[in-house]
Amino acid sequence: SQKIEQNSEALNIQEGKTATLTCNYTNYSPAYLQWYRQDPGRGPVFLLLIRENEKEKRKERLKVTFDTTLKQSLFHITASQPADSATYLCALVSSGGYNKLIFGAGTRLAVHP
Amino acid sequence: EAGVTQFPSHSVIEKGQTVTLRCDPISGHDNLYWYRRVMGKEIKFLLHFVKESKQDESGMPNNRFLAERTGGTYSTLKVQPAELEDSGVYFCASSQLPGGSYEQYFGPGTRLTVT
Repeated sequence: SQKIEQNSEALNIQEGKTATLTCNYTNYSPAYLQWYRQDPGRGPVFLLLIRENEKEKRKERLKVTFDTTLKQSLFHITASQPADSATYLCALVSSGGYNKLIFGAGTRLAVHP
Repeated sequence: EAGVTQFPSHSVIEKGQTVTLRCDPISGHDNLYWYRRVMGKEIKFLLHFVKESKQDESGMPNNRFLAERTGGTYSTLKVQPAELEDSGVYFCASSQLPGGSYEQYFGPGTRLTVT
């Protein structure tokens, strides 16, 4: 069956450290993979997109990697800050379903001062 | 520029009643999406409009749900009659262009509680 898995446990890290979040998928062939941030009571906010033929994408303190062999994406936040505390969602765009986003359940990140 | 807006922010109705959710996308965005998150689960796709046409409604759970986008501007999602399992947060999103290579802009969601 098709699955997208993100760490269900909250990730707690110290301010200034690098946070690494994982998104694994099975039985999908994503053309694109997107990462969103969601704060309580709000809708998801787009952060980064990576294509299937790209290995890595960066934006300021954010970095995303995409390994189609391992069927995994890693999302890194360097020099983390308490303001980075939120739930982070990965979303696939399957090559068969070109427009809709298929979300993972999200990982809650807590950055402590 | 105003973002995606949704109304109401919260709705509490009894089983069997009707509720209509509204979404106003970002001006100029032809693509409008509805998603929902039920308790403890991931956000799931419901349907996609391009202007006033339904491009993909594969995620609509059953015929109690009716989405419209008359005139290609705002959209409504009606649930009639509502069941307990319809409780959750309904998100609307819009994008200027279709396809997974473009970000979607999400509204704050409507929290629906069916009692």
